[in-house]
Amino acid sequence: EAGVAQSPRYKIIEKRQSVAFWCNPISGHATLYWYQQILGQGPKLLIQFQNNGVVDDSQLPKDRFSAERLKGVDSTLKIQPAKLEDSAVYLCASGEATGSEAFFGQGTRLTVV
Amino acid sequence: AQSVAQPEDQVNVAEGNPLTVKCTYSVSGNPYLFWYVQYPNRGLQFLLKYITGDNLVKGSYGFEAEFNKSQTSFHLKKPSALVSDSALYFCAVRDASGTYKYIFGTGTRLKVLA
Repeated sequence: EAGVAQSPRYKIIEKRQSVAFWCNPISGHATLYWYQQILGQGPKLLIQFQNNGVVDDSQLPKDRFSAERLKGVDSTLKIQPAKLEDSAVYLCASGEATGSEAFFGQGTRLTVV
Repeated sequence: AQSVAQPEDQVNVAEGNPLTVKCTYSVSGNPYLFWYVQYPNRGLQFLLKYITGDNLVKGSYGFEAEFNKSQTSFHLKKPSALVSDSALYFCAVRDASGTYKYIFGTGTRLKVLA
């Protein structure tokens, strides 16, 4: 079974530039998550989708971050404009609709300089 | 509010000794509880989960965890540690009602010494 695919693996941008990350979840998984993991910290939930609807985005900095999940499958997370403090690993995960474990991609390491 | 705490930043244990990594949680409803492991430059790998039933759950690589409702804890254990178990361990909780929001702890670094 294919896992969660994320791209790119690494990205370096200058502050105030924009960047986008892509995620392809495991086939059939209704729930999709985006997490931000800053070095030395636990993953912080940014947004949770159920199919193509947003279930929770309470910790998403909406003035600069946006996310969408078209047709309930792939998802993109965008940052515009980026700040230095956005440097982190962005993890995408997917899971079944009810209380099951989430499966994680390898993440995108973003460095803002 | 839903939360999970891992009180130890780091746990050191000698190879062959038993290990425990602690986790406590807070949810309004019944919890779904999970442990994940993260190796350097890798994503999170699922180890085990508690949904319902037996309080002692067994998972991958010889790990197990005990759900204690009265103490709101879900500690990760292994009878005999291996050097290869050295990694970052995360506890996570989902509230089994509403949004099933998935919240992670801050992580505990396990170091197994040869």
